[in-house]
Amino acid sequence: QITLKESGPTLVKPTQTLTLTCTFSGFSLSTFGVGVGWIRQPPGEALEWLALIYWDDDKRYSPSLKNRLTITKDASKNQVVLTMTNMAPVDAATYYCARQLNYYGSGSSFDYWGQGTPVTVSS
Amino acid sequence: QSVLTQPPSASGTPGQRVTISCSGSSSNIERNNVNWYQQLPGTAPKFLIYRNNQRPSGVPDRFSGSRSGTSASLAISGLQSEDEADYYCAAWDDSLNGPVFGGGTKLTVL
Repeated sequence: QITLKESGPTLVKPTQTLTLTCTFSGFSLSTFGVGVGWIRQPPGEALEWLALIYWDDDKRYSPSLKNRLTITKDASKNQVVLTMTNMAPVDAATYYCARQLNYYGSGSSFDYWGQGTPVTVSS
Repeated sequence: QSVLTQPPSASGTPGQRVTISCSGSSSNIERNNVNWYQQLPGTAPKFLIYRNNQRPSGVPDRFSGSRSGTSASLAISGLQSEDEADYYCAAWDDSLNGPVFGGGTKLTVL
């Protein structure tokens, strides 16, 4: 059974750094063709991709947020960590992590998702 | 402003067939496979269609996808009340070097 779960603070202050952890089970991030991505969704708005990390430690970032994001993995712990610096109220959203598989023929194929974690940005 | 363009809303009555369009460009849909996601209210997105027209295990064959040029579409036949959800298209974008999503379409079953 494949599961992913996001964890982190629900409230951060403006200018602070957000650190989110995705803990997964049922697959390995050391396996060829496997990736884990972060996607966010502001209340009532659309999905927005943030970052991706692959089994070979290749990393991709949204160009609009690249300067603020860092994604890392600890395959032995089955965890992926996303940090986002200089948080602002516009960054308030539900943050999801999801598994990405090259098997599905596209880097936008996220087949399993976590339940999401809401983040509010306020002083 | 999403890279992929979807109509904000769509509707149909039970049993009808509805289609949702997704418009992109030569850097995404024209060159790369399209995926579709269903998001029921208050839940995480669910993987619905991959490789333009393939269904993951467990997805009913009422759902189908297609791609032509820089556009793609999702069709739902035999519409059911439980299909009421937001639907998102997605594709890899070669210029942005990452996945892009549509703005989402809210499907209402009348």
